[in-house]
Amino acid sequence: GAVVSQHPSWVICKSGTSVKIECRSLDFQATTMFWYRQFPKQSLMLMATSNEGSKATYEQGVEKDKFLINHASLTLSTLTVTSAHPEDSSFYICSARVAGDTGELFFGEGSRLTVL
Amino acid sequence: AQSVTQPDIHITVSEGASLELRCNYSYGATPYLFWYVQSPGQGLQLLLKYFSGDTLVQGIKGFEAEFKRSQSSFNLRKPSVHWSDAAEYFCAVGPYNFNKFYFGSGTKLNVKP
Repeated sequence: GAVVSQHPSWVICKSGTSVKIECRSLDFQATTMFWYRQFPKQSLMLMATSNEGSKATYEQGVEKDKFLINHASLTLSTLTVTSAHPEDSSFYICSARVAGDTGELFFGEGSRLTVL
Repeated sequence: AQSVTQPDIHITVSEGASLELRCNYSYGATPYLFWYVQSPGQGLQLLLKYFSGDTLVQGIKGFEAEFKRSQSSFNLRKPSVHWSDAAEYFCAVGPYNFNKFYFGSGTKLNVKP
């Protein structure tokens, strides 16, 4: 199946700094990528939908200035957590949909962010 | 409101025993239903999906799931569990364009030797 890679797999940062997480589709073009956040023992919550070449669509309650999403190419979307705080510590997972495909999302391995 | 409920947070079964993971959903339109598996430190892998047609769908790794519209359920089953099946399983529902998935909270499966 198609491969989605996230980098970094885990990151520790100091409060107030910004962190960028990359999501790449390695062997296919993804016109749409999704960013999810997973809290411990909870489900994945969709944060935003990222479309190549246009602004991301954020879910209600997600601060767009806090979580900057850029989808500059058909194989790369980035999530930048700006001025990170401890409450931003979480597991962030991206997924990508194959252009023209009917239904399967391919998920990255996730990035664990810890803000001290 | 759209939601997915997985009532079992943890399940432990013996290797070789049968398995059923429950999933109930609430969705305002025709549901497209999915089961994903997540191993530690890994992304989610699709086990199977239901769009229409036969309500019993077969997936990878010997899993199957049955869609019951009257019960708003999509339970995952496996006749004989292997130790390598230990992981977390997520049920999800989404629209026809797959733009917004709603995930259950997951069921963590432990397999006893």
